[in-house]
Amino acid sequence: AQSVTQLGSHVSVSEGALVLLRCNYSSSVPPYLFWYVQYPNQGLQLLLKYTTGATLVKGINGFEAEFKKSETSFHLTKPSAHMSDAAEYFCAVSEKNYGQNFVFGPGTRLSVLP
Amino acid sequence: DGGITQSPKYLFRKEGQNVTLSCEQNLNHDAMYWYRQDPGQGLRLIYYSQIVNDFQKGDIAEGYSVSREKKESFPLTVTSAQKNPTAFYLCASKSRTDTQYFGPGTRLTVL
Repeated sequence: AQSVTQLGSHVSVSEGALVLLRCNYSSSVPPYLFWYVQYPNQGLQLLLKYTTGATLVKGINGFEAEFKKSETSFHLTKPSAHMSDAAEYFCAVSEKNYGQNFVFGPGTRLSVLP
Repeated sequence: DGGITQSPKYLFRKEGQNVTLSCEQNLNHDAMYWYRQDPGQGLRLIYYSQIVNDFQKGDIAEGYSVSREKKESFPLTVTSAQKNPTAFYLCASKSRTDTQYFGPGTRLTVL
């Protein structure tokens, strides 16, 4: 069975500092991996995804994530935080060819301090 | 523009009433999902449908019902049997590349 863990339910960074949100997963088959962002009272917006190919994936708003199979990780980074990045971030995993198995992590709330 | 719409954005229900949340998509996706989100928590799967006229229970289906008569529509009914229905409800559809796309959500409050 799949599972997703996100280390840190709340992360605070200063504006301009590096953002690092951690995601580890377990999966019995090669997974698809996703990061979503949620602003208050809104739906989830896809930031980026990894399916196959290049392990460093670039997404919207300057975010990127790297798939590391040996570490079963898919950490999200952004070189310089902006106030508008304050939101809830969810990591998710889907096992290929098992359409209903889309598992979300518990989420990490990112605060950006001026 | 293609996307997913949910209505209403805010919904108030009296105890003992059934209410239906609407979800429509024009992305031509086969699979659709309903999630429940409580404050400070992640997403919990209520129901999903892989194809028209078929749907499956998720992790927290008790007190909810769905239908899938059309590819574009996947309404969720919150019945009076749901003991604690106040929550944020999210609908999603899934592309052939296994990516889920979400609607803007409906916030349900029981008075």
